[in-house]
Amino acid sequence: QKEVEQDPGPLSVPEGAIVSLNCTYSNSAFQYFMWYRQYSRKGPELLMYTYSSGNKEDGRFTAQVDKSSKYISLFIRDSQPSDSATYLCASEKNSGGSNYKLTFGKGTLLTVNP
Amino acid sequence: SQTIHQWPATLVQPVGSPLSLECTVEGTSNPNLYWYRQAAGRGLQLLFYSVGIGQISSEVPQNLSASRPQDRQFILSSKKLLLSDSGFYLCAWRYQGADEQFFGPGTRLTVL
Repeated sequence: QKEVEQDPGPLSVPEGAIVSLNCTYSNSAFQYFMWYRQYSRKGPELLMYTYSSGNKEDGRFTAQVDKSSKYISLFIRDSQPSDSATYLCASEKNSGGSNYKLTFGKGTLLTVNP
Repeated sequence: SQTIHQWPATLVQPVGSPLSLECTVEGTSNPNLYWYRQAAGRGLQLLFYSVGIGQISSEVPQNLSASRPQDRQFILSSKKLLLSDSGFYLCAWRYQGADEQFFGPGTRLTVL
């Protein structure tokens, strides 16, 4: 079992829809959670970062973490065609050292149709 | 502000040829540096990371190597490329002790 599982999609929605992207993780030691957005042929860009259970909101984006069920979600409200990209979830243990390492899901390809 | 550069942006190389990919970070000092490979359908695979000059940790045994000759320079190399080395190579950095990690624009390598 991979440590971070993510449905690869593809996911296709109409403009204005609410999008839900999800990941599960198996390692209870994971404490930090991130969402990256990657446009085609570009490097991933950090969207959201959280380290606690609950919700974190930033504009149209909400990251949700449920540590009891090891479930991570990203919600996109009022989705736009410019949101079309691959979304990667990532998790990390707090190793206590300087060599932190992220574990990534495989990414979900999202297309928002105008 | 911090900026991360990678070059070349794209590269086509024959099997058996050498490789050198370069990554540099501006606007920070003593960052942690990372090399990833992203192959279709396989997600991001961590190849190497470095916490300082000359300090390299390898995550995956293979025919690639990494070096950090300067604080903000990270180089990925190979003496002889294999077909399986094709992919999108990403360099990333973070502040020592911080959690957010930032990626460069990537190098797309095709080995023929």
